[in-house]
Amino acid sequence: DAKTTQPPSMDCAEGRAANLPCNHSTISGNEYVYWYRQIHSQGPQYIIHGLKNNETNEMASLIITEDRKSSTLILPHATLRDTAVYYCIVRVGGSARQLTFGSGTQLTVLP
Amino acid sequence: GAVVSQHPSRVICKSGTSVKIECRSLDFQATTMFWYRQFPKKSLMLMATSNEGSKATYEQGVEKDKFLINHASLTLSTLTVTSAHPEDSSFYICSARGRARPGVGYTFGSGTRLTVV
Repeated sequence: DAKTTQPPSMDCAEGRAANLPCNHSTISGNEYVYWYRQIHSQGPQYIIHGLKNNETNEMASLIITEDRKSSTLILPHATLRDTAVYYCIVRVGGSARQLTFGSGTQLTVLP
Repeated sequence: GAVVSQHPSRVICKSGTSVKIECRSLDFQATTMFWYRQFPKKSLMLMATSNEGSKATYEQGVEKDKFLINHASLTLSTLTVTSAHPEDSSFYICSARGRARPGVGYTFGSGTRLTVV
């Protein structure tokens, strides 16, 4: 799996968009970008994933640069319940192997 | 869909005793289950991978005789921490992967907080 780099922490005001960056400059052509989050003392939760096109679901949007070397997870209207550690994971789609978690970004949504 | 139930959510046990943690996939068949451990302010570290009906594969440094994993059915895997010691106190999380969920594939339990006193 390609290495990812994320800022260790970010703050965001409640109601504003939270933009979480992830650098994955060594990503290969068949690797997807996955985002999970972990609220304190809970198991990780899947958010979204994409290959090269931008993706949107009910939780978030994923913007992948044209060269695929970086991506941004966007929470359009952050709430206090979005405070969590967000993990960006790059891996081959459909792989049966385990997910490998880096250190992630601690997002704190401030009232 | 794709719910994984992990039980208990927290347990306190005495040093030297054994603790069993259950992980159940409620609405899909989990062909593979993963067990992770997470220490405070650290990321998840994979302990072992188990496929239904076969022996678990342990990561380097994880004692297979101490952390017994059983995956006897497509909906249940158990992790037993044997002869627990205070240094085994941690947050244990299971993850299940089913056959028919390409791309996403991984659903996590809510975790078990183990405290050994």
